[in-house]
Amino acid sequence: EAGVVQSPRYKIIEKKQPVAFWCNPISGHNTLYWYRQNLGQGPELLIRYENEEAVDDSQLPKDRFSAERLKGVDSTLKIQPAELGDSAVYLCASSLATGSHYEQYFGPGTRLTVT
Amino acid sequence: SQKIEQNSEALNIQEGKTATLTCNYTNYSPAYLQWYRQDPGRGPVFLLLIRENEKEKRKERLKVTFDTTLKQSLFHITASQPADSATYLCALVKDAGNMLTFGGGTRLMVKP
Repeated sequence: EAGVVQSPRYKIIEKKQPVAFWCNPISGHNTLYWYRQNLGQGPELLIRYENEEAVDDSQLPKDRFSAERLKGVDSTLKIQPAELGDSAVYLCASSLATGSHYEQYFGPGTRLTVT
Repeated sequence: SQKIEQNSEALNIQEGKTATLTCNYTNYSPAYLQWYRQDPGRGPVFLLLIRENEKEKRKERLKVTFDTTLKQSLFHITASQPADSATYLCALVKDAGNMLTFGGGTRLMVKP
């Protein structure tokens, strides 16, 4: 079974430029998460989707970040414009359903460097 | 808000010994606590889940304890191997259905 797929794996951009990350969750997983992980820290949730609906986006900086999950499968996270402080690893995860007893499966992440 | 503390210093142990990692939290007692392993350049991988009404959970060489009085979880790896070297993250959930809050992780180094 294929795991969570993310692309690109690495991205280097200049500040003020836009950037987008793509995620394909495990087939059949209804819940999708985007996390940001800074160096030496644990992942922090940005947004959670139940199928197509964003049900928890309280930690998403909405002035520059946006996300979508069309058709309830793939998802895209966008930053526009990027700032130096956005440099981090962006992780996508999926789970069969919502509920903390469901384990989350993480992708390898996209390492973003903003110069 | 919940604060989760894991030892930020790396834990170095000899192969064959038992590794013990600590996860302390403040404020509310979580309904669930999960442990993940993360290797460099990879996403976290789920290892174990323990509920608030469970004292201990085991899986092969892994053991997790949960003490709601001390507000602490301990993660043990017995007969440790160099392949166990990684960063271990604990994650807490306040209520069933609520989201995970991760600690900063502890890096474990097992030397042959």
